[in-house]
Amino acid sequence: NSKVIQTPRYLVKGQGQKAKMRCIPEKGHPVVFWYQQNKNNEFKFLINFQNQEVLQQIDMTEKRFSAECPSNSPCSLEIQSSEAGDSALYLCASSLQGANTEVFFGKGTRLTVV
Amino acid sequence: QQQVRQSPQSLTVWEGETAILNCSYEDSTFDYFPWYWQFPRESPALLIAIRPVSNKKEDGRFTIFFNKREKKLSLHITDSQPGDSATYFCAVNTGGLSGKLTFGEGTQVTVIS
Repeated sequence: NSKVIQTPRYLVKGQGQKAKMRCIPEKGHPVVFWYQQNKNNEFKFLINFQNQEVLQQIDMTEKRFSAECPSNSPCSLEIQSSEAGDSALYLCASSLQGANTEVFFGKGTRLTVV
Repeated sequence: QQQVRQSPQSLTVWEGETAILNCSYEDSTFDYFPWYWQFPRESPALLIAIRPVSNKKEDGRFTIFFNKREKKLSLHITDSQPGDSATYFCAVNTGGLSGKLTFGEGTQVTVIS
């Protein structure tokens, strides 16, 4: 069973509001991923970290999405100005190393933008 | 460009039958292919994975068949059980050392008894 902890489980925001979600990776896992899963079950990779450093990220030119994984604190994903299209399940995952190892997912934060 | 494709979109089988799920990918350099399953209102979990050094990986009733030349793989679920009803995602490591996974669209499997 995954020990990736995500909070909150559910988040409701109005359009234009900030939305922030947190993730505690499984103990000992230095690599953290964020994915967005939409209502059609499609996954979209957002960003991943190794310790505090970004490994890879999508082009967040909209600048509405930001993420960080500070040492000794939960990782976080924040949407600066929520839009209806951001409504989705945001999944945090962690692994022992970046490539070719099992990735463990948290239960997700379901964001609804009204 | 869709890097990972799955078919069929949905599949219904009787209990005890074999379900066959298909996956294809674009880039021959991809080298890690996990399958995840996801139950309603749950997060995805790793079911089974294969690397191109093998053309078959078996774990109980679940078997991956891998065809590197055709860039295709399939997941066979033998003796399907109602508890196998879930959405199955083929994934590929498209991020190299970063481990970024790209997921297919998923196949929703329903096993009826």
